[in-house]
Amino acid sequence: GQQVMQIPQYQHVQEGEDFTTYCNSSTTLSNIQWYKQRPGGHPVFLIQLVKSGEVKKQKRLTFQFGEAKKNSSLHITATQTTDVGTYFCAGPMEYGNKLVFGAGTILRVKS
Amino acid sequence: NAGVTQTPKFRVLKTGQSMTLLCAQDMNHEYMYWYRQDPGMGLRLIHYSVGEGTTAKGEVPDGYNVSRLKKQNFLLGLESAAPSQTSVYFCATSRDRGPVTGELFFGEGSRLTVL
Repeated sequence: GQQVMQIPQYQHVQEGEDFTTYCNSSTTLSNIQWYKQRPGGHPVFLIQLVKSGEVKKQKRLTFQFGEAKKNSSLHITATQTTDVGTYFCAGPMEYGNKLVFGAGTILRVKS
Repeated sequence: NAGVTQTPKFRVLKTGQSMTLLCAQDMNHEYMYWYRQDPGMGLRLIHYSVGEGTTAKGEVPDGYNVSRLKKQNFLLGLESAAPSQTSVYFCATSRDRGPVTGELFFGEGSRLTVL
C-alpha cells in the first residue's frame, strides 16, 4: 500500500545548530503537508506544498517539495528550544481526501 | 469557538469493555477523521467521514466502529476493547477542498489504556 517514510526518527541537536527531516513517498503526491506536535500536544498544521519543486519559507523554517513530487524536506536554521517536538509529513492517500502520515521525526534541542 | 473537542480525554478500560469517544466540532467542516497515534508509528487513520450520514474505513479500521449522525459530531466506538487498542486517539476535521486535501484541525487527543 501507499507509504510515507520519514527520516531520521530522532535527532538531538545543540541550540543554534540546523536540523533537517526528510519525507519520501512510494507514489507521486498531489500535495504534501507538514505538521508539528509539541510534547503532550496535538498536531498543528504548518504548511502545504502543491507544486513540483516548490520552496516555501516560514521564518527559520524552509520547506521543499521535490521535482518528482515524491519527496519533501523541512529544514530549520539555528534551532531554538521552542522548536522541540515531533515533525510529521503527510500526503493524500490514493482516491480521496485522506492523509497518510509519516512516522515523524522527534527533535530535541539542548540549550 | 472551541474548534475540535474530544471527550473523554483519559480513560482506562478492562479487556472486553466497550466505550465511545466523542468528537465535536464547531467549524462547520464536512470532513472528519479518527486517527490513532502509537510510538514510532505516526498517525494512522482509523475511519473517516466526508459528510453527515457517511463513514468509510481508513488504514486500521478493525475493532472500531463510527457514526456521523450529525454534521458536528463524529463518534468512535470500541465494542470489545483489547490491549492492542491502548493508544492516543485524535479526531481531526477539514474543509472539503476537492482534489487537494485541506489542512487538518486536530482535537487535543484522548488517551485510552486497555488493561
